[in-house]
Amino acid sequence: GENVEQHPSTLSVQEGDSAVIKCTYSDSASNYFPWYKQELGKGPQLIIDIRSNVGEKKDQRIAVTLNKTAKHFSLHITETQPEDSAVYFCAAKTFPGNQFYFGTGTSLTVIP
Amino acid sequence: EAGVAQSPRYKIIEKRQSVAFWCNPISGHATLYWYQQILGQGPKLLIQFQNNGVVDDSQLPKDRFSAERLKGVDSTLKIQPAKLEDSAVYLCASTRGGGPAEQYFGPGTRLTVT
Repeated sequence: GENVEQHPSTLSVQEGDSAVIKCTYSDSASNYFPWYKQELGKGPQLIIDIRSNVGEKKDQRIAVTLNKTAKHFSLHITETQPEDSAVYFCAAKTFPGNQFYFGTGTSLTVIP
Repeated sequence: EAGVAQSPRYKIIEKRQSVAFWCNPISGHATLYWYQQILGQGPKLLIQFQNNGVVDDSQLPKDRFSAERLKGVDSTLKIQPAKLEDSAVYLCASTRGGGPAEQYFGPGTRLTVT
């Protein structure tokens, strides 16, 4: 089955700096890669996603890049703000099974 | 549109007792997932439904866990009997269907087994 690894497990940045979280996956048939933000006591919230036929996607301060050859994808947050502090999860969706496999999470702290 | 609804939000039971969780997905979403999230870890898939049929339950501990989605809409997940290691957040999520579709999560049910 699919195996998703995520690094780093914790990340602290100064407000205004950039944050980068990296994930790798094992199943070359996986075709969809979402990123979720989870705040304490809440369910994961989809913040950005990328399909396997796209190399990069940007939404305001958030961007995701995908390297299918190397089977890794990354989340980039620019101009970080204290409200960006949360746990972030990457995931890979298998094809054709449509199951989602999650990374182990990155706890991001933005220091004011 | 309304999000994924789950209840209860919190549950405390003793080991060997039984418990049930309920989920109502986003209207029109054919695929429903139940996940177990242990503290400090990512969600782990327990079972996936497509309409009222099971697509994948390979990681569901079937000796104690069961789930159903009888009319292809809402779903229940049951644990009987519960063990201490079942303490976790149980998340329900849904997607519109197959393909690279966005998955939306409910708030989860935090289960504590004492």
